[in-house]
Amino acid sequence: GAGVSQSPRYKVAKRGQDVALRCDPISGHVSLFWYQQALGQGPEFLTYFQNEAQLDKSGLPSDRFFAERPEGSVSTLKIQRTQQEDSAVYLCASSAGGAWMDEQFFGPGTRLTVL
Amino acid sequence: SQQGEEDPQALSIQEGENATMNCSYKTSINNLQWYRQNSGRGLVHLILIRSNEREKHSGRLRVTLDTSKKSSSLLITASRAADTASYFCAPVDTGRRALTFGSGTRLQVQP
Repeated sequence: GAGVSQSPRYKVAKRGQDVALRCDPISGHVSLFWYQQALGQGPEFLTYFQNEAQLDKSGLPSDRFFAERPEGSVSTLKIQRTQQEDSAVYLCASSAGGAWMDEQFFGPGTRLTVL
Repeated sequence: SQQGEEDPQALSIQEGENATMNCSYKTSINNLQWYRQNSGRGLVHLILIRSNEREKHSGRLRVTLDTSKKSSSLLITASRAADTASYFCAPVDTGRRALTFGSGTRLQVQP
């Protein structure tokens, strides 16, 4: 595809449900990032992959959050036992090289609402 | 962690006017990046300026970097209604693998 795609675009979950958010990065991009963006705030880093290796997960807010990129392309962010404070837009970004200093290309995000 | 703080938080101007947004940060950087976010959408990369550069241009955008003052500015000349968006700076240092954003400047360009 031409850009980073994410699905679903919108997700409503009841508190306690598990959710899975998908990211399709630009083909061939080595690096993949997940961010969480609360309303009116800038994105906050969650985790980073270089190919299939998760090199940094320091931003994941709790052990309920889990991300994977098993084949070094598509990534899934999973949130278990969702809480209301998990409501946010989840953004995925990819960059061409392994250097995290490169320009990042963002997807449109998944808006998660936990009731 | 390194984080850019944008100023002002909100800016409203008329079409055709120039818009200036500022960014301050705290530690040494490798580069600083500016991104734009239209309502309900992902971020779009605008420009990257390296620590050894002082000024960079891209179309109607002009970015300056003053490492001694740990600050950067983004100037949009001859603004258009389509420039209405939130603008974020992301200072990049060697201590972190990802971009760190502030709360952004919300620019409103009135037609």
